[in-house]
Amino acid sequence: GENVEQHPSTLSVQEGDSAVIKCTYSDSASNYFPWYKQELGKRPQLIIDIRSNVGEKKDQRIAVTLNKTAKHFSLHITETQPEDSAVYFCAASRGGGGNKLTFGTGTQLKVEL
Amino acid sequence: GAVVSQHPSRVICKSGTSVKIECRSLDFQATTMFWYRQFPKQSLMLMATSNEGSKATYEQGVEKDKFLINHASLTLSTLTVTSAHPEDSSFYICSASVRNTEAFFGQGTRLTVV
Repeated sequence: GENVEQHPSTLSVQEGDSAVIKCTYSDSASNYFPWYKQELGKRPQLIIDIRSNVGEKKDQRIAVTLNKTAKHFSLHITETQPEDSAVYFCAASRGGGGNKLTFGTGTQLKVEL
Repeated sequence: GAVVSQHPSRVICKSGTSVKIECRSLDFQATTMFWYRQFPKQSLMLMATSNEGSKATYEQGVEKDKFLINHASLTLSTLTVTSAHPEDSSFYICSASVRNTEAFFGQGTRLTVV
């Protein structure tokens, strides 16, 4: 089955700096890669997703890049703000969000003033 | 976006009792729903895939007789934790998708077994 690795497990940045979180996956048939932000005790919130026919996607301060050959994808957050502090999970699935997701281990992001 | 509602949000039960968690898609029909479990400071792990009108598909290592899943309608799936023990204490979350787009998650259920 699919295996998703995520690094780093914790990330501390200064407000205004950029943050990068990286994930690798093992199943070459995976074609949907969402990123979630989860605050303590809350449901995961989709912040951006990318499908395998696209190499990069951007939404304001958030961008995701995908390298299918190397089987890795990354989340980039620019101009970080304290409210960006949360746990971020990457995930992978075959066939889109309607299929089961395999999650990475999570990254605790702390944005310091 | 689509709304998935989960109930209850928190439950405390005594060891040996059973607990039922409901997951509803409020504004769409979901032939498939997913149940995940999340232990403190860990990732979400898929427990099972709930299929409307048929048996659930369980992930390896998940006891189907302990975690009973029923998907009796296109808008409701239930997870029953039978004979709960303290090690079953966890955050249980369901999800569903509209036309294979993004996954929408319920708000989660914090189960504490004492």
